[in-house]
Amino acid sequence: KQEVTQIPAALSVPEGENLVLNCSFTDSAIYNLQWFRQDPGKGLTSLLLIQSSQREQTSGRLNASLDKSSGRSTLYIAASQPGDSATYLCAVDAGGSARQLTFGSGTQLTVLP
Amino acid sequence: GAGVSQSPSNKVTEKGKDVELRCDPISGHTALYWYRQRLGQGLEFLIYFQGNSAPDKSGLPSDRFSAERTGESVSTLTIQRTQQEDSAVYLCASSLAGPGYTFGSGTRLTVV
Repeated sequence: KQEVTQIPAALSVPEGENLVLNCSFTDSAIYNLQWFRQDPGKGLTSLLLIQSSQREQTSGRLNASLDKSSGRSTLYIAASQPGDSATYLCAVDAGGSARQLTFGSGTQLTVLP
Repeated sequence: GAGVSQSPSNKVTEKGKDVELRCDPISGHTALYWYRQRLGQGLEFLIYFQGNSAPDKSGLPSDRFSAERTGESVSTLTIQRTQQEDSAVYLCASSLAGPGYTFGSGTRLTVV
């Protein structure tokens, strides 16, 4: 059974800092990995999706990497802003006929002005 | 529509009552998913619909939970005889056959 772990559970940084969020998964046979952002009381916003054949994806100040063999992904946020404060969730898609995401518990990020 | 729409956004119900949650997926999305998020926890998979195939119900926690979907449109998640442990945010997502998911804003269910 796939298990996804995110470290740290919470992170507080001053504005402008670069930071890294970590995600690890136990079964490397994945179809893709997706990073989401969740704001309080709201649904999930997709940030980046990395296919199993890819190493990284970039969108603006965000960069996500994937090392499938070691079961790890990182989300790098450059020049953090208070508006980046949210919970960041990592989710793994095993593909095949059972198309469901296995989520980590998230990292709650606070960027202090 | 432009996104995944869920209703109601909030629902407070008494223990033992039945509730019905609704999800309107993005038009043309063949796949639809329900997830549950308890306070302070990650998302748990509940059920997955793909076109006219039999749904994957492997995540439903008990027989009090059921879901229906008509073709590739609206889905309803029904919880019978609600219990306090059913209190959570219920999230719906839809996708095309390929990767990538769009989530709705969720229904916050509180059982008192």
